[in-house]
Amino acid sequence: ILNVEQSPQSLHVQEGDSTNFTCSFPSSNFYALHWYRWETAKSPEALFVMTLNGDEKKKGRISATLNTKEGYSYLYIKGSQPEDSATYLCARTGRRSQGNLIFGKGTKLSVKP
Amino acid sequence: EAGVAQSPRYKIIEKRQSVAFWCNPISGHATLYWYQQILGQGPKLLIQFQNNGVVDDSQLPKDRFSAERLKGVDSTLKIQPAKLEDSAVYLCASSFSPQGRTDTQYFGPGTRLTVL
Repeated sequence: ILNVEQSPQSLHVQEGDSTNFTCSFPSSNFYALHWYRWETAKSPEALFVMTLNGDEKKKGRISATLNTKEGYSYLYIKGSQPEDSATYLCARTGRRSQGNLIFGKGTKLSVKP
Repeated sequence: EAGVAQSPRYKIIEKRQSVAFWCNPISGHATLYWYQQILGQGPKLLIQFQNNGVVDDSQLPKDRFSAERLKGVDSTLKIQPAKLEDSAVYLCASSFSPQGRTDTQYFGPGTRLTVL
């Protein structure tokens, strides 16, 4: 099993700040990279699935980029709001996998009003 | 569209007791996953079903964990007997395609198990 690493572990920002997190993964045997947002006491919510090198996806104030050659993805949040407070998880699937996600430990974001 | 349902939401048991979790996936989804998330770790796959067949159970501790997916729909995960290290959130997810490397997996809210 190949490790997925996320940094930072936690982040505290003020409302209105923009922020970004990193997801690093082994580039060999890569197939897809998934981002999820998990709010306390709720279900993890899918944000993006990316497969191609240079992919960029956007959903409202949240965007993500993917570099499959060097094995990293960035998640950006523009103008953070208190409702963005959650744990952000990234996960990869490999070419030889049946679809199971290999997750990082997540980045816990707290946005203070 | 209804999401993935799980029950119970919380369970507290003593070590060596048994426990079962239930999952109802999104209607029409072929693939069902059970993940275990221990505090401070990312979720880890325990077992993956495609319809009612097992695709991957390589990380399921088979001496104490068992799972089934009846008629390719609902699924139950059982632990017997439980150990302290089984304290975790158990997440169920489902996806539409039989082979879902790019498919979105839809997660339930999880069952938080505490073993005392």
